[in-house]
Amino acid sequence: SQTIHQWPATLVQPVGSPLSLECTVEGTSNPNLYWYRQAAGRGLQLLFYSVGIGQISSEVPQNLSASRPQDRQFILSSKKLLLSDSGFYLCAQRVNRTYNEQFFGPGTRLTVL
Amino acid sequence: DAKTTQPPSMDCAEGRAANLPCNHSTISGNEYVYWYRQIHSQGPQYIIHGLKNNETNEMASLIITEDRKSSTLILPHATLRDTAVYYCIVSYSGSARQLTFGSGTQLTVLP
Repeated sequence: SQTIHQWPATLVQPVGSPLSLECTVEGTSNPNLYWYRQAAGRGLQLLFYSVGIGQISSEVPQNLSASRPQDRQFILSSKKLLLSDSGFYLCAQRVNRTYNEQFFGPGTRLTVL
Repeated sequence: DAKTTQPPSMDCAEGRAANLPCNHSTISGNEYVYWYRQIHSQGPQYIIHGLKNNETNEMASLIITEDRKSSTLILPHATLRDTAVYYCIVSYSGSARQLTFGSGTQLTVLP
């Protein structure tokens, strides 16, 4: 079975401050990992995905970055937060190597003031 | 990935079947249809997927038309806990990048 840990669960940060969100997964080794963002009242937007350690693909230009220092660790970062970075950040793991079934973590709700 | 069209909202009486439609007229031959749902303030949850045959699991049934241009997700006996946004997604299975979420259908199950 899959388990995804995300922390913190909620976060309030001032504009211009740095950000680090962590995601760790249990279960499958060498999983495909994903970061999504959901702004208030909006759909999910894929931000980054990773097929292995040190391998990051960015989907949209922004002031966010991602890193994968370990097989089951995926980190989302920013040097300077913008108001528009507020949202619900979700980490996901691909659970089937044949089909696009993804398992999502509990998410981090970020408010930038 | 092919685009999908879903009604923005639907209501269903508790205990009745909920039938959620999805149009995907530009689907290509090797693209699958996936359904996910998102309960408020939670991450999305995988429900079911199919290629061309109808599929059923413990959560739902998926009916895909013969021309594959549309599909229907069926929750046979909707409960209040099925209230959620339901996403229909069309995607290739081979690539790592996948699952482009649209706006989905807000299903409200009424008591």
